[in-house]
Amino acid sequence: DVKVTQSSRYLVKRTGEKVFLECVQDMDHENMFWYRQDPGLGLRLIYFSYDVKMKEKGDIPEGYSVSREKKERFSLILESASTNQTSMYLCASSPGQISGANVLTFGAGSRLTVL
Amino acid sequence: GQNIDQPTEMTATEGAIVQINCTYQTSGFNGLFWYQQHAGEAPTFLSYNVLDGLEEKGRFSSFLSRSKGYSYLLLKELQMKDSASYLCAVRDTNYKLSFGAGTTVTVRA
Repeated sequence: DVKVTQSSRYLVKRTGEKVFLECVQDMDHENMFWYRQDPGLGLRLIYFSYDVKMKEKGDIPEGYSVSREKKERFSLILESASTNQTSMYLCASSPGQISGANVLTFGAGSRLTVL
Repeated sequence: GQNIDQPTEMTATEGAIVQINCTYQTSGFNGLFWYQQHAGEAPTFLSYNVLDGLEEKGRFSSFLSRSKGYSYLLLKELQMKDSASYLCAVRDTNYKLSFGAGTTVTVRA
């Protein structure tokens, strides 16, 4: 019954490494999101996408990029990982028109540690 | 942008009622959501308000006052399984959804 799948639950990387976080949804949702969650700061939006090959910056896009080549897959890329990117990363998706009770379905999260 | 405030922690007794307040400031309001997140798990949707008033869903109710930039989530007949973090989220007119830092509710026997 898993609907939003994040490829890695835990990752440990070194400073300067390129990191890929993959997210796949099987609900045919148009919209996909990447958030990071830190204690005391809550969920902060990094990037989102309303359609294939389309992306929009969220509140904290610096140091990140994204790729959406297929409708079901939304990848978050850390070009050169830094220790301040140690965090829990949550992917989410939602259907169609972003209005009304357009509910996000979240993945289980990827906990990234950068040493 | 949006500024969303909610208390960090609340503690209540099993069977009691708890009210979690959320205040927000936004350049354009287009809906308010409450999500529940158990430790180590993904957030799950609880409620949605876009018009003023109270929305009731079983033991949980959510209230919105747009003029005051204020919402609350009311949890009634608390159960141990309600121990979780409760996230207030506001959607703006550009359809961006921003979250508060969350309120951790601990239910004691």
